[in-house]
Amino acid sequence: TQLLEQSPQFLSIQEGENLTVYCNSSSVFSSLQWYRQEPGEGPVLLVTVVTGGEVKKLKRLTFQFGDARKDSSLHITAAQPGDTGLYLCALGGTSYGKLTFGQGTILTVHP
Amino acid sequence: GAVVSQHPSWVICKSGTSVKIECRSLDFQATTMFWYRQFPKQSLMLMATSNEGSKATYEQGVEKDKFLINHASLTLSTLTVTSAHPEDSSFYICSATPGTQAWDTQYFGPGTRLTVL
Repeated sequence: TQLLEQSPQFLSIQEGENLTVYCNSSSVFSSLQWYRQEPGEGPVLLVTVVTGGEVKKLKRLTFQFGDARKDSSLHITAAQPGDTGLYLCALGGTSYGKLTFGQGTILTVHP
Repeated sequence: GAVVSQHPSWVICKSGTSVKIECRSLDFQATTMFWYRQFPKQSLMLMATSNEGSKATYEQGVEKDKFLINHASLTLSTLTVTSAHPEDSSFYICSATPGTQAWDTQYFGPGTRLTVL
């Protein structure tokens, strides 16, 4: 079974600060996705990566993927209260698109 | 973008009753649908994979007789929680994908909050 470790579990920061969330796999992954989920709603896809070493940017969010395809990070610059939510990384790699989710990171950005 | 709906968005039921949750892909045909369970401040836990016209595949530890899944069409899957108990109270989320590849996008529904009294 492919394990996925996500850290930290909780982040509480002030508006304007930067933060990084990490996601590490016990083995090589074929694809990895990052999601954001707000309370009472389903997860929303932020980015998908399938290429090792790739860097993707989405406004203030920067996603990096390790060359070895075993780790990934999400960096948020100048966090805003609207960034508050649960951030999840998820591994693909099996048939039918089955995903394995990390433990999640609960981010709270205080005004 | 592709939209997945769930109904109801929340439900309260008495212990011992059964509850049915619907998951619909509104503008695409879903080859596969997935059902997840999520407890407060925790991640999503996959319960089962549902393919149209065939039996669902349940994850280890998930009771198939308690969580009945029916995927009767390419746009509808249902999850029935039978003989519900308070410990079944949770947030149930479905997702749907039109493809069969590992990197195919899954589209998530908005979730159903189940409270069993």
